[in-house]
Amino acid sequence: QKEVEQNSGPLSVPEGAIASLNCTYSDRGSQSFFWYRQYSGKSPELIMSIYSNGDKEDGRFTAQLNKASQYVSLLIRDSQPSDSATYLCAGGYGNKLVFGAGTILRVKS
Amino acid sequence: DTAVSQTPKYLVTQMGNDKSIKCEQNLGHDTMYWYKQDSKKFLKIMFSYNNKELIINETVPNRFSPKSPDKAHLNLHINSLELGDSAVYFCASSQEGLGETQYFGPGTRLLVL
Repeated sequence: QKEVEQNSGPLSVPEGAIASLNCTYSDRGSQSFFWYRQYSGKSPELIMSIYSNGDKEDGRFTAQLNKASQYVSLLIRDSQPSDSATYLCAGGYGNKLVFGAGTILRVKS
Repeated sequence: DTAVSQTPKYLVTQMGNDKSIKCEQNLGHDTMYWYKQDSKKFLKIMFSYNNKELIINETVPNRFSPKSPDKAHLNLHINSLELGDSAVYFCASSQEGLGETQYFGPGTRLLVL
């Protein structure tokens, strides 16, 4: 059973702080990982994809992958109230994505 | 222009009815997907089509039948609706399948009474 696990939260951070979202996966067969953001009542949208060990930065977002520890994380610097959403981690297996249950992030102004 | 569109946006129906949800993408993508998101927000893949060919068929009751008339359209027909079918159904598309960004439609909120 391929599983992707996330702490459901909510994770509360003050505006301007760094939000750290974490995800673990059970199957080492996955070679690709994705972070999606989903606002309440809306559809998921891709924020970051990462395929190799290390860090990948895009603006205020940094994705980190550690395949040895089967661990993926997303850092959001200078968090804004508009970042408040559910963040979905997904691992790629064959032709499909397996999603975690999502972490609710609340950024308080 | 809407990239991935779904109709209807909301669907309220009685148990036992049959209903269809339609999806269209104008991105020129080869692969389309149906996902189900339950009340706990857990997003799970149901089906995937690549160029009209079924490539993923998860453990889904056979009351659910997808159909892809062409690579820009993927419809979902549900027979004999049950209370547990209540969820948000998302259509998505990507260029070549995994590894490529999946673009999600706005979702169809299905409520079975």
